[in-house]
Parts: sequence; structure tokens; C-alpha cells
Amino acid sequence: DTGVSQNPRHKITKRGQNVTFRCDPISEHNRLYWYRQTLGQGPEFLTYFQNEAQLEKSRLLSDRFSAERPKGSFSTLEIQRTEQGDSAMYLCASTSGNTIYFGEGSWLTVV
Amino acid sequence: DAKTTQPTSMDCAEGRAANLPCNHSTISGNEYVYWYRQIHSQGPQYIIHGLKNNETNEMASLIITEDRKSSTLILPHATLRDTAVYYCIVRSWNYGGATNKLIFGTGTLLAVQP
Repeated sequence: DTGVSQNPRHKITKRGQNVTFRCDPISEHNRLYWYRQTLGQGPEFLTYFQNEAQLEKSRLLSDRFSAERPKGSFSTLEIQRTEQGDSAMYLCASTSGNTIYFGEGSWLTVV
Repeated sequence: DAKTTQPTSMDCAEGRAANLPCNHSTISGNEYVYWYRQIHSQGPQYIIHGLKNNETNEMASLIITEDRKSSTLILPHATLRDTAVYYCIVRSWNYGGATNKLIFGTGTLLAVQP
């Protein structure tokens, strides 16, 4: 499968713990997005990378959230000191042109 | 905020055409109309996009009105597997450093009935 790959697909963590999600975009896609989706809502934009540069961050991305794309290939999204309100699906997407392709998402449950 | 308006839900009989409307009255000249769908618990799936001409691919057809203020996504022969939330999104497209992100609304839940 050459689509956008996200790991882990599911994560259950205790409140206060740190979690990290990884995204492997489609090969040679230089643009990468992170979104968050809660039940009953459409995906909400979190942040955007062009190659390794993080060019835009949403106000939704609090200080507890950090995203990186160190070599312009895979990306990580870390959430520190998780809260129950962080429970959501975290989606990664990539593109090299005008069509954006999404991964299957990483589900986070904070208990 | 999303720049589109869609009905909350629609039903369609299996085998019939599903016509999903979308209003985007404030669309700008450099903005495209994109359609994605999301089947329960999966990531959004790209369907089709267009600027001002009608478009067709193996999944669907996109009809954009001449004034570009509304569009319709047509699934010609809906199947049960087409049951999903369908998102109509207006997206600007610029080269360079612009984000060109997709801004999702709440979409239309299409229920295909047997």
C-alpha cells in the first residue's frame, strides 16, 4: 500500500501521559497536514509542513502539542500531559499537487 | 469557518443516482470545489474536484453552476458501500508557501437504502 500511513492506529492512555503519533506520507509528497476529528464533527486543521518547515499552526494546537518533520519525510505529533478533551482521531494528509490524500487516522482515548 | 452549506442528511435507494447539493455563494475566482467522503471510522477519501467546468471520474461527476455559487456531486449508481458523510469544500490553490488547507464543515450523511 503506497498511501499515507499512520501509527499507531489506536492508543489508550491515562490522563497526564505523553503520546506520540507518526505519519508516513506518500513518497515524494512535500506537503503534510495534521487534522483532529471528534465525534460528529468534520476534521479540524492543526498544522501544515512544506518539506521540513512548519508553515502554519492552528490556535487549536496548544502548548502541549508539538509536531515535527525533521527530514521532510515522516512526521510526528506529540501530545504532552494528555487531557480527556484530547480524545479524538488524529489524521495526517499529504500532497505534492492539488489533491490531498488522508491516512486512516490514529484514534486516541484518554482515560 | 467552512464556506459551504450542505444538507445534514439524505437518503438514496440502492442502484439509483445520488445527487448531493452544495452551496458556496462566496466562492472566489481562485477557489476550487472539492468533494471528499468519510466512511465510518476511516480517513476522508478524495472523490473529485473542479474549478468551473463539470468533471467526471470513475467515482462520480461534479456539476458546477455557471456562476459557481453551487455544485452537485452525482454518484450515478449508489451502492450500500457509498453510505458515508460527504464533504463539499472550497479550497484556494496557490503555489509557493501557501497552506492551501482543506476546511471541513459537517457534511451530508448519505444513507443508501437497500
